[in-house]
Amino acid sequence: AQTVTQSQPEMSVQEAETVTLSCTYDTSESDYYLFWYKQPPSRQMILVIRQEAYKQQNATENRFSVNFQKAAKSFSLKISDSQLGDAAMYFCAYSPKEGAQKLVFGQGTRLTINP
Amino acid sequence: DTGVSQDPRHKITKRGQNVTFRCDPISEHNRLYWYRQTLGQGPEFLTYFQNEAQLEKSRLLSDRFSAERPKGSFSTLEIQRTEQGDSAMYLCASSRDFQPQHFGDGTRLSIL
Repeated sequence: AQTVTQSQPEMSVQEAETVTLSCTYDTSESDYYLFWYKQPPSRQMILVIRQEAYKQQNATENRFSVNFQKAAKSFSLKISDSQLGDAAMYFCAYSPKEGAQKLVFGQGTRLTINP
Repeated sequence: DTGVSQDPRHKITKRGQNVTFRCDPISEHNRLYWYRQTLGQGPEFLTYFQNEAQLEKSRLLSDRFSAERPKGSFSTLEIQRTEQGDSAMYLCASSRDFQPQHFGDGTRLSIL
């Protein structure tokens, strides 16, 4: 069974600084998707970024980028120029490419932005 | 694209009562998912529909839980004889094949 682990329950960063959230996962599949989702206090889960495992190039979305290390099964999220609106729970998630493509989530990291 | 809609936002009920939640996915999304999220945890998969067919169910989905997606549009999740442990946020998500899932605001269930 696939598992996703986020070892940082809480992180904080000063506004405008850079922060990195960690995620490791376990799977026997060779091709899959990895995601970072953001859940603000309003609780709607919002997609931040998606990575396809067969693509070696790390995905980027504006201030958000990932460091995908397939051999190490590591998938970290870097947030540059942190803004107050980035404060939220961040969940790392895995899904296979075949079948239901159901998401397997980590436990989450609560990110606080200090003004 | 009006987003995934869930109703109600919050449901308070007494233990032993039945409850039903509704999810309206993004139009033309053929895949629909239900997840359960307890406080401080990541969501856990409950069940998956492709169009009107329920193709996968988690072992978390006891026989007190039933889900339907008639006509492949909206979906309902019913919990019979609710128990304290059913208190959670129930999230619905929808997607098209190989596209990321979009989530609704969720229905928070509180069991008195």
